[in-house]
Amino acid sequence: KQEVTQIPAALSVPEGENLVLNCSFTDSAIYNLQWFRQDPGKGLTSLLLIQSSQREQTSGRLNASLDKSSGRSTLYIAASQPGDSATYLCAVSNFGNEKLTFGTGTRLTIIP
Amino acid sequence: DGGITQSPKYLFRKEGQNVTLSCEQNLNHDAMYWYRQDPGQGLRLIYYSQIVNDFQKGDIAEGYSVSREKKESFPLTVTSAQKNPTAFYLCASTRAGYGYTFGSGTRLTVV
Repeated sequence: KQEVTQIPAALSVPEGENLVLNCSFTDSAIYNLQWFRQDPGKGLTSLLLIQSSQREQTSGRLNASLDKSSGRSTLYIAASQPGDSATYLCAVSNFGNEKLTFGTGTRLTIIP
Repeated sequence: DGGITQSPKYLFRKEGQNVTLSCEQNLNHDAMYWYRQDPGQGLRLIYYSQIVNDFQKGDIAEGYSVSREKKESFPLTVTSAQKNPTAFYLCASTRAGYGYTFGSGTRLTVV
C-alpha cells in the first residue's frame, strides 16, 4: 500500500528566502505525482504535475523534482512571498490505480 | 472556463438526516472522486467513479452513497449511518494522463 510522507509538518521562513518542501513515497511504481496548494477553508489548487517519465517541472517561481528510485520529490519555491503562505500537499497515483494517495501536508508561513 | 462546482459551500445536518452534496464538472473528465478531509489528517477517499453508471468504494465508504448517472455529475449522499460526518468534503475529477482538478469544497456540520 502506497504511503506518502511530508516533512516538516510546518515551516516558517522570512520573506525573500528560497525554500524546499519534501515529499517521500514508499512504492516507486508511480503513474504521476502532483503538488497542490490549499488555503484555509478552500479547495486544492494544482501547482505542478510530474509524469513518471519526467524528472522535473517548472512554473514561475516553483520547481518540482521527482526521483522515483529513491521515492522522493521536492518542491522548490524561489524568492518566497507572504502570498505563498498556505498548506502544500503532495499526492501520488500508481499504475493501474488512478486513485491519489496524499501526504498530510506542510503548512508554510512566510514572515513579512 | 472549465472547472468543478461543489454546492452548497456550507451544509448543516440534523441527527438521523440524510444530506446530499453536489459535484458538477464541465471538463469532460471521465473519472470523478470524493474525498473527506479532517483537521490534522490527510485526504481520505470515500468513493470514485471511472465511467458513467459505475463506481467503487474507497477507503472510508461506510455511511456514504453515490450515483453517476451523467458524466458531468457525481453527487454524494451522507446517510444517517455515518456517525461522524462533520468534515470538509472535496470533489475531484481527472482523465488519463492529466492531473486532478478539485472543487472548492463543502463543509458539513452536524447540529
